[in-house]
Amino acid sequence: QKEVEQDPGPLSVPEGAIVSLNCTYSNSAFQYFMWYRQYSRKGPELLMYTYSSGNKEDGRFTAQVDKSSKYISLFIRDSQPSDSATYLCAMRGTGFQKLVFGTGTRLLVSP
Amino acid sequence: SAVISQKPSRDICQRGTSLTIQCQVDSQVTMMFWYRQQPGQSLTLIATANQGSEATYESGFVIDKFPISRPNLTFSTLTVSNMSPEDSSIYLCSVHDRASYEQYFGPGTRLTVT
Repeated sequence: QKEVEQDPGPLSVPEGAIVSLNCTYSNSAFQYFMWYRQYSRKGPELLMYTYSSGNKEDGRFTAQVDKSSKYISLFIRDSQPSDSATYLCAMRGTGFQKLVFGTGTRLLVSP
Repeated sequence: SAVISQKPSRDICQRGTSLTIQCQVDSQVTMMFWYRQQPGQSLTLIATANQGSEATYESGFVIDKFPISRPNLTFSTLTVSNMSPEDSSIYLCSVHDRASYEQYFGPGTRLTVT
């Protein structure tokens, strides 16, 4: 079993839809949770960063962490074609430990 | 956030040759990382490079194949040695911001080995 599981998609939605992207994990030591967006032929771009459980909102993006269920989510409201990209979840423990990545979910938002 | 640049952005190389990838950061950072992203795959950490010490390699990666230099706090190189087609991948440099605990990535180097 992988430490971090993420559905590879693709996930296809119409413009304006609410998108839900999710990851599950098995290591209860993970404390820091990140979402990266990666456009084709580009490096990953840090979108959201949360520590421990709870929600964090930034514009159209909301990151949610449920440590009791070992489940994290990224919600995108009013999705746009420019949101079409691969979304990678990543997480790590305390101190500095290496990031563990999900495989990424490819999102396609059609106009 | 740190701004990271990589050279070259892409290259096509012949089997058996070596390629050195450069990573430059616009601020001083303690920890720099090198990742590999194979087609359709997620990111795999190759090694962690701290200035002034030997790089630490992850399981499955060795110094002879992927030698790393870290001469100062803003620069690092990764060499892919004796390349084979299996080394075709995107190689990414990354840095860890100690103040914010956030980790940032460069644009990547797309390597094709023929």
